Amino acid sequence: GAGVSQSPRYKVAKRGQDVALRCDPISGHVSLFWYQQALGQGPEFLTYFQNEAQLDKSGLPSDRFFAERPEGSVSTLKIQRTQQEDSAVYLCATPGQTNTGELFFGEGSRLTVL
Amino acid sequence: KQEVTQIPAALSVPEGENLVLNCSFTDSAIYNLQWFRQDPGKGLTSLLLIQSSQREQTSGRLNASLDKSSGRSTLYIAASQPGDSATYLCAVNSNSGYALNFGKGTSLLVTP
Repeated sequence: GAGVSQSPRYKVAKRGQDVALRCDPISGHVSLFWYQQALGQGPEFLTYFQNEAQLDKSGLPSDRFFAERPEGSVSTLKIQRTQQEDSAVYLCATPGQTNTGELFFGEGSRLTVL
Repeated sequence: KQEVTQIPAALSVPEGENLVLNCSFTDSAIYNLQWFRQDPGKGLTSLLLIQSSQREQTSGRLNASLDKSSGRSTLYIAASQPGDSATYLCAVNSNSGYALNFGKGTSLLVTP
């Protein structure tokens, strides 16, 4: 999806463990979004960055979720003390080059909490 | 909050049929609407983007229409093929924000 790279693709964690999910967008993209997609559902907005500034974190489900983008490029979504309900696919997205508002998504990181 | 609904939730058709997927949204004040395809275990692939000022967009066998006033969009797939089997997601970008609001998707199976 337009060069958005996410890692790891799959992560299995025991309940209570901390996890970190990485998004590496195309160089130069100002905006970056994180979404959470539960099984059988559409993606839900988590948070939005413009460069290194986190402008909206209203979608983060709890204070166990934390996202950062310290240099305005790579972003990390961290989940502390994981719970079973955190099991989902976490998707990263950036807009295209044409400034039309079109969003391009990475392959996602599938998190399973046992 | 913008609510997006997709009907049907699942659809199975024989190869070669033309089909229509439906998307409805509650707030007509939108910036754009985007259709995505999602294959099992994969991320989202952008298919078509319709700006609020547009009525339709076409790409190959796909045609998406937008009727803002009635809060509806349709994705028309002509001459369906087994390779079209996937989940199709509709997402609305509202004027009041920048985050996309997604429907739950339509799961399409095209049988040979």
